Amino acid sequence: EVQLVQSGAEAKKPGESLKISCKASGYSFADYWIGWVRQMPGKGLEWTGIIYPGDSDTKYSPSVQGQVTISIDRSISTAYLQWSSLKASDTAIYYCARQRPGARVLDYWGQGTLVAVSS
Amino acid sequence: DIQMTQSPSTLSASVGDRVTITCRASQSISSWLAWYQQKPGTAPHLLIYEASTLESGVPSKFSGSGSGTEFTLTISSLRPDDFATYYCQQYESYPWTFGQGTKVEIK
Repeated sequence: EVQLVQSGAEAKKPGESLKISCKASGYSFADYWIGWVRQMPGKGLEWTGIIYPGDSDTKYSPSVQGQVTISIDRSISTAYLQWSSLKASDTAIYYCARQRPGARVLDYWGQGTLVAVSS
Repeated sequence: DIQMTQSPSTLSASVGDRVTITCRASQSISSWLAWYQQKPGTAPHLLIYEASTLESGVPSKFSGSGSGTEFTLTISSLRPDDFATYYCQQYESYPWTFGQGTKVEIK
């Protein structure tokens, strides 16, 4: 069974750093892109970026380029989304999702990680 | 970036109704369009891809059509479980982009 299990909710202050995780199981981790999708409070879905575990090729949305870093650890089938200096505007639920090869759609999703940034 | 615009933003309907949601792309995306359903407090769920291909396990009451810049999602005979927010998403070129969502609520 394909599963994406994300790390728990985080409460942080502006300027702090953070790394959230998404652990994959039930399929060949190296063969599927993993993407991150942001959902700000009460708002819609916003594609953030994506990484291919096979070669670490990464693509970012221009809206977050330079603000976040997506990475992976193939040895534990885990993808990460990290910030070096959080802002209040980073407050959102972040979902990871697997991208199906060929169809390029997000077919399995994690449960979401709430990141709350407040002074 | 390709902009995706959905209409309406909110749709009030009754159980048993047939409803249609429209999604327009700012440039041609061929058939590289997906539809997702999201219920409150849960992750989105893939319904349709390549504009009209039903994801495995999704009921046939959901159907999609269109190509180029205009697409529709139709839900026949609404059931209580179908009241949710629906998003379109293009995957013709990076960055992938979503529509702003259409909330289907009970009239």
